[in-house]
Amino acid sequence: DAKTTQPTSMDCAEGRAANLPCNHSTISGNEYVYWYRQIHSQGPQYIIHGLKNNETNEMASLIITEDRKSSTLILPHATLRDTAVYYCIVRGTGANSKLTFGKGITLSVRP
Amino acid sequence: DGGITQSPKYLFRKEGQNVTLSCEQNLNHDAMYWYRQDPGQGLRLIYYSQIVNDFQKGDIAEGYSVSREKKESFPLTVTSAQKNPTAFYLCASSPRQGGREKLLFGSGTQLSVL
Repeated sequence: DAKTTQPTSMDCAEGRAANLPCNHSTISGNEYVYWYRQIHSQGPQYIIHGLKNNETNEMASLIITEDRKSSTLILPHATLRDTAVYYCIVRGTGANSKLTFGKGITLSVRP
Repeated sequence: DGGITQSPKYLFRKEGQNVTLSCEQNLNHDAMYWYRQDPGQGLRLIYYSQIVNDFQKGDIAEGYSVSREKKESFPLTVTSAQKNPTAFYLCASSPRQGGREKLLFGSGTQLSVL
């Protein structure tokens, strides 16, 4: 599975959009981009995933560049409860493909 | 409500002692996973199971053992061979093992050495 690179941390103001970047330049054609988040001392929570088209659900939007080498997770109206570590993960579709978590990006939402 | 239950939330281990962490799910999921998380780090895969009576080593299986005798249960034993067991342990499950499956995580067990 391809590796991902994320900034260590970022912050945004409450009510504003939070744009979290992720680089995955070695991604292959059958690998999906997944985003999870982890609030302190809890288990990670699934947010969204995509292959090549942009995706949106009730939590967030995922924008994947045309060459698929990077993506951006967008939280449209960040709240204090969105403060968490966000993991960008690339995962293949094979039966033995594993979900590998890096250090993620720490998002701090300020009042 | 369906979900994953990990117990206990906090566990203490004495030197040379084996301890077992419990993970139960009532989601009818085939696949289950154990991850370890150290402070400030990401999650590392210990073991995973795709089906009852079958399991595979992850990236850091040494010093750990698992069993999968029932679909809903996947206990993890931290043996005395694991020299640095202090960590946050997370159990997860998915309908099947595979790249399109979303993992659902439990709330974790914090293991500390006395």
